[in-house]
Amino acid sequence: DIVMTQTPHTLSVIPGQPASMSCKSSQSLLFSDGKTYLYWYLQRPGQPPQLLMYEVSKRVSAVSDRFSGSGSGTDFTLKISRVEAEDVGVYYCMQSIQLPLTFGGGTKVEIK
Amino acid sequence: QVQLVESGGGVVQPGRSLTLSCAASAFTFSNYGMLWFRQAPGKGLEWVALVSSDGINKFYADSVKGRFTISRDNSKNTLHLEMNTVRADDTAVYFCAKAGVERTPDYWGQGTLVTVSS
Repeated sequence: DIVMTQTPHTLSVIPGQPASMSCKSSQSLLFSDGKTYLYWYLQRPGQPPQLLMYEVSKRVSAVSDRFSGSGSGTDFTLKISRVEAEDVGVYYCMQSIQLPLTFGGGTKVEIK
Repeated sequence: QVQLVESGGGVVQPGRSLTLSCAASAFTFSNYGMLWFRQAPGKGLEWVALVSSDGINKFYADSVKGRFTISRDNSKNTLHLEMNTVRADDTAVYFCAKAGVERTPDYWGQGTLVTVSS
């Protein structure tokens, strides 16, 4: 199974300040079709996860351009340029290059 | 807007069975694979099962293989998860999700809580 490791566990951020979180996979997520199967989800308190980013850096429509994803191979980063109150929750990275689908342990973003 | 509504959760005794359902609407259900995930209280997300759009191909996490069965009824736009021989560590909120590109979940239901307890 591919192990996904997220850091930090918690991010405490002042509104308007940037935030950055890391996701590392135990195997490359680059497939032979040229796509990298790394996704980011946000789970707000009491809500189901919602898809934010797909294939590393592609934003889902309606997701704010304050969010950006980067990385390749096994190392990935999600950045929020200016954190807002609505960004609070747990961010999960997930790989779908192979089954079982696996998630990182999550990074909790809270407002300082 | 895609809607997924889970039902069937509740309290079940260890070793017994429970079947979850997920009613889908606002998309062509028969065109998409569907998934089940779960989240134990205060824990992270775990993939449980995947079924292809036609219901033929099914895949399971090792933790549920041989005990859980995923199925779908495309005539009723409904997904099911039959849970047999449940254990305490099956206690979780169970989410159904629509698969987008490459079996990646792009829409999730609100979830239904399953508690395994005597």
